[in-house]
Amino acid sequence: DAGVTQSPTHLIKTRGQQVTLRCSPKSGHDTVSWYQQALGQGPQFIFQYYEEEERQRGNFPDRFSGHQYPNYSSELNVNALLLGDSALYLCASSPQGFGANVLTFGAGSRLTVL
Amino acid sequence: GQSLEQPSEVTAVEGAIVQINCTYQTSGFYGLSWYQQHDGGAPTFLSYNALDGLEETGRFSSFLSRSDSYGYLLLQELQMKDSASYFCAVSVDQTGANNLFFGTGTRLTVIP
Repeated sequence: DAGVTQSPTHLIKTRGQQVTLRCSPKSGHDTVSWYQQALGQGPQFIFQYYEEEERQRGNFPDRFSGHQYPNYSSELNVNALLLGDSALYLCASSPQGFGANVLTFGAGSRLTVL
Repeated sequence: GQSLEQPSEVTAVEGAIVQINCTYQTSGFYGLSWYQQHDGGAPTFLSYNALDGLEETGRFSSFLSRSDSYGYLLLQELQMKDSASYFCAVSVDQTGANNLFFGTGTRLTVIP
Protein backbone atom coordinates (compact mmCIF):
# COMPACT_ATOMS: atom_id res chain seq x y z
CA ASP A 1 0.00 0.00 0.00
CA ALA A 2 1.63 3.19 -1.18
CA GLY A 3 1.62 5.98 1.32
CA VAL A 4 1.54 9.64 0.38
CA THR A 5 3.47 10.34 -2.80
CA GLN A 6 4.72 13.76 -3.81
CA SER A 7 6.33 15.10 -6.95
CA PRO A 8 8.76 16.45 -7.84
CA THR A 9 11.18 15.60 -5.05
CA HIS A 10 13.50 18.50 -5.79
CA LEU A 11 13.20 21.58 -7.94
CA ILE A 12 14.96 24.87 -8.47
CA LYS A 13 13.20 28.05 -9.54
CA THR A 14 14.10 31.71 -9.81
CA ARG A 15 12.41 34.64 -8.14
CA GLY A 16 9.12 35.63 -9.73
CA GLN A 17 8.47 32.24 -11.26
CA GLN A 18 5.54 29.97 -10.47
CA VAL A 19 5.64 26.39 -9.22
CA THR A 20 3.15 23.52 -8.97
CA LEU A 21 3.65 20.66 -6.53
CA ARG A 22 1.62 17.47 -6.63
CA CYS A 23 0.41 15.02 -4.02
CA SER A 24 -1.39 11.70 -4.05
CA PRO A 25 -2.86 10.79 -0.67
CA LYS A 26 -2.68 7.44 0.99
CA SER A 27 -5.30 4.97 -0.19
CA GLY A 28 -8.50 5.45 1.79
CA HIS A 29 -7.69 9.04 2.79
CA ASP A 30 -9.84 11.88 1.51
CA THR A 31 -8.40 14.92 3.30
CA VAL A 32 -5.16 16.55 2.21
CA SER A 33 -3.16 19.24 3.96
CA TRP A 34 -0.05 21.09 2.88
CA TYR A 35 2.75 22.24 5.16
CA GLN A 36 5.87 24.32 4.63
CA GLN A 37 8.99 23.32 6.56
CA ALA A 38 11.93 25.70 6.57
CA LEU A 39 15.34 24.31 7.45
CA GLY A 40 15.59 23.58 11.16
CA GLN A 41 11.96 24.46 11.82
CA GLY A 42 8.73 22.61 12.35
CA PRO A 43 6.14 22.26 9.60
CA GLN A 44 3.78 25.24 9.18
CA PHE A 45 0.21 24.66 8.08
CA ILE A 46 -0.65 26.18 4.69
CA PHE A 47 -4.13 24.85 3.96
CA GLN A 48 -6.36 21.81 3.96
CA TYR A 49 -8.58 20.38 1.24
CA TYR A 50 -11.62 18.19 1.65
CA GLU A 51 -14.31 17.42 -0.92
CA GLU A 52 -12.39 19.52 -3.46
CA GLU A 53 -12.69 22.65 -1.36
CA GLU A 54 -10.26 24.59 0.78
CA ARG A 55 -11.54 24.00 4.27
CA GLN A 56 -8.94 25.74 6.39
CA ARG A 57 -6.05 28.05 5.72
CA GLY A 58 -3.00 29.05 7.71
CA ASN A 59 -1.21 32.36 7.72
CA PHE A 60 0.03 32.29 4.13
CA PRO A 61 -0.53 34.91 1.41
CA ASP A 62 -2.79 34.44 -1.60
CA ARG A 63 0.27 33.59 -3.69
CA PHE A 64 -0.23 30.13 -2.25
CA SER A 65 -3.19 28.34 -3.76
CA GLY A 66 -4.29 24.79 -4.16
CA HIS A 67 -6.66 22.35 -5.69
CA GLN A 68 -8.08 18.94 -4.93
CA TYR A 69 -9.33 16.58 -7.59
CA PRO A 70 -12.19 14.06 -7.40
CA ASN A 71 -9.65 11.27 -6.85
CA TYR A 72 -8.46 13.21 -3.74
CA SER A 73 -5.08 14.09 -5.22
CA SER A 74 -4.00 17.66 -4.70
CA GLU A 75 -1.80 20.42 -6.04
CA LEU A 76 -0.06 23.31 -4.36
CA ASN A 77 0.66 26.34 -6.51
CA VAL A 78 2.94 29.19 -5.53
CA ASN A 79 3.08 32.31 -7.69
CA ALA A 80 5.62 35.12 -7.78
CA LEU A 81 8.22 33.10 -5.92
CA LEU A 82 10.34 34.81 -3.30
CA LEU A 83 13.68 33.69 -1.89
CA GLY A 84 11.88 33.03 1.41
CA ASP A 85 9.70 30.41 -0.25
CA SER A 86 12.67 28.05 -0.31
CA ALA A 87 11.62 25.16 1.91
CA LEU A 88 10.46 21.58 2.07
CA TYR A 89 6.79 21.35 1.14
CA LEU A 90 5.02 18.47 2.82
CA CYS A 91 1.71 16.95 1.90
CA ALA A 92 -0.21 15.06 4.56
CA SER A 93 -3.38 13.02 4.27
CA SER A 94 -5.88 11.56 6.69
CA PRO A 95 -9.33 10.01 6.64
CA GLN A 96 -12.44 11.59 8.06
CA GLY A 97 -13.83 10.12 11.25
CA PHE A 98 -11.83 7.34 12.87
CA GLY A 99 -8.12 7.96 12.36
CA ALA A 100 -8.54 11.64 11.55
CA ASN A 101 -6.05 12.51 14.28
CA VAL A 102 -3.23 10.70 12.51
CA LEU A 103 -1.53 12.44 9.61
CA THR A 104 0.42 10.48 7.04
CA PHE A 105 3.09 12.67 5.48
CA GLY A 106 4.83 12.38 2.17
CA ALA A 107 8.59 12.78 1.88
CA GLY A 108 8.13 16.29 0.53
CA SER A 109 9.16 18.45 -2.37
CA ARG A 110 12.26 20.51 -1.71
CA LEU A 111 11.98 23.87 -3.44
CA THR A 112 14.97 26.13 -3.89
CA VAL A 113 14.36 29.67 -5.11
CA LEU A 114 17.39 31.50 -6.51
CA GLY B 1 -0.24 34.32 19.34
CA GLN B 2 0.47 30.66 19.54
CA SER B 3 3.63 29.04 20.81
CA LEU B 4 5.02 25.63 21.56
CA GLU B 5 8.26 25.24 23.46
CA GLN B 6 10.45 22.18 23.41
CA PRO B 7 14.20 21.75 23.92
CA SER B 8 16.21 22.19 20.74
CA GLU B 9 18.63 19.34 21.37
CA VAL B 10 18.90 16.29 23.62
CA THR B 11 21.67 13.68 23.77
CA ALA B 12 21.22 10.30 25.44
CA VAL B 13 23.01 6.98 25.67
CA GLU B 14 21.85 3.85 23.89
CA GLY B 15 19.63 1.79 26.19
CA ALA B 16 18.74 4.75 28.38
CA ILE B 17 15.46 6.63 28.84
CA VAL B 18 14.88 10.18 27.60
CA GLN B 19 12.00 12.59 28.12
CA ILE B 20 11.21 15.41 25.70
CA ASN B 21 9.00 18.11 27.17
CA CYS B 22 6.56 20.37 25.38
CA THR B 23 4.68 23.35 26.76
CA TYR B 24 2.09 25.11 24.70
CA GLN B 25 0.16 28.33 24.56
CA THR B 26 -2.49 28.25 21.85
CA SER B 27 -5.84 29.87 21.13
CA GLY B 28 -7.54 26.49 20.95
CA PHE B 29 -6.61 23.02 22.09
CA TYR B 30 -8.06 19.70 21.04
CA GLY B 31 -5.08 17.42 21.42
CA LEU B 32 -1.30 17.01 21.45
CA SER B 33 0.52 14.90 18.90
CA TRP B 34 4.11 13.77 18.54
CA TYR B 35 5.89 13.16 15.25
CA GLN B 36 9.32 11.76 14.47
CA GLN B 37 11.36 12.95 11.51
CA HIS B 38 14.66 11.49 10.38
CA ASP B 39 16.96 13.69 8.33
CA GLY B 40 15.63 13.87 4.78
CA GLY B 41 12.54 11.90 5.70
CA ALA B 42 8.85 12.45 6.22
CA PRO B 43 7.41 13.15 9.66
CA THR B 44 5.82 10.00 11.04
CA PHE B 45 3.09 9.85 13.65
CA LEU B 46 4.02 8.58 17.12
CA SER B 47 1.16 9.42 19.46
CA TYR B 48 -1.88 11.56 20.17
CA ASN B 49 -3.29 12.66 23.53
CA ALA B 50 -6.64 14.39 23.79
CA LEU B 51 -7.18 13.69 27.48
CA ASP B 52 -4.95 13.97 30.52
CA GLY B 53 -2.78 10.99 31.28
CA LEU B 54 -0.26 8.62 29.86
CA GLU B 55 -0.52 6.75 26.56
CA GLU B 56 1.90 3.89 25.98
CA THR B 57 2.85 2.40 22.63
CA GLY B 58 5.74 0.01 22.85
CA ARG B 59 8.95 1.81 23.81
CA PHE B 60 7.27 5.21 23.42
CA SER B 61 4.88 6.87 25.88
CA SER B 62 3.25 10.27 25.77
CA PHE B 63 1.75 12.29 28.60
CA LEU B 64 -0.59 15.23 28.69
CA SER B 65 -1.69 17.65 31.40
CA ARG B 66 -4.24 20.08 29.98
CA SER B 67 -4.37 22.13 33.15
CA ASP B 68 -0.61 22.74 32.93
CA SER B 69 -0.56 23.09 29.12
CA TYR B 70 2.23 20.54 29.17
CA GLY B 71 3.08 17.23 27.67
CA TYR B 72 6.06 14.99 27.17
CA LEU B 73 7.29 12.14 25.05
CA LEU B 74 9.15 9.36 26.84
CA LEU B 75 11.44 7.07 24.89
CA GLN B 76 12.69 3.96 26.64
CA GLU B 77 15.44 1.47 25.76
CA LEU B 78 16.92 3.96 23.33
CA GLN B 79 18.29 2.61 20.08
CA MET B 80 20.62 4.27 17.60
CA LYS B 81 17.77 4.44 15.08
CA ASP B 82 15.89 6.74 17.48
CA SER B 83 18.27 9.55 16.54
CA ALA B 84 15.92 11.98 14.81
CA SER B 85 13.95 15.19 15.33
CA TYR B 86 10.82 14.99 17.45
CA PHE B 87 8.01 17.49 17.09
CA CYS B 88 5.10 18.16 19.38
CA ALA B 89 2.04 19.56 17.63
CA VAL B 90 -1.25 20.94 18.88
CA SER B 91 -4.60 20.45 17.19
CA VAL B 92 -6.02 23.95 17.39
CA ASP B 93 -9.29 23.41 15.58
CA GLN B 94 -12.14 21.10 16.34
CA THR B 95 -12.78 20.38 12.67
CA GLY B 96 -9.82 18.07 12.46
CA ALA B 97 -6.27 17.32 13.39
CA ASN B 98 -5.03 18.30 9.97
CA ASN B 99 -4.64 21.87 11.13
CA LEU B 100 -1.68 21.19 13.39
CA PHE B 101 0.52 23.85 14.98
CA PHE B 102 4.02 22.39 15.28
CA GLY B 103 6.84 23.19 17.64
CA THR B 104 10.34 23.80 16.32
CA GLY B 105 11.43 20.29 17.16
CA THR B 106 13.90 18.53 19.44
CA ARG B 107 16.91 16.92 17.82
CA LEU B 108 17.69 13.68 19.69
CA THR B 109 21.13 12.18 19.33
CA VAL B 110 21.63 8.67 20.68
CA ILE B 111 25.26 7.82 21.40
CA PRO B 112 26.78 4.37 22.01
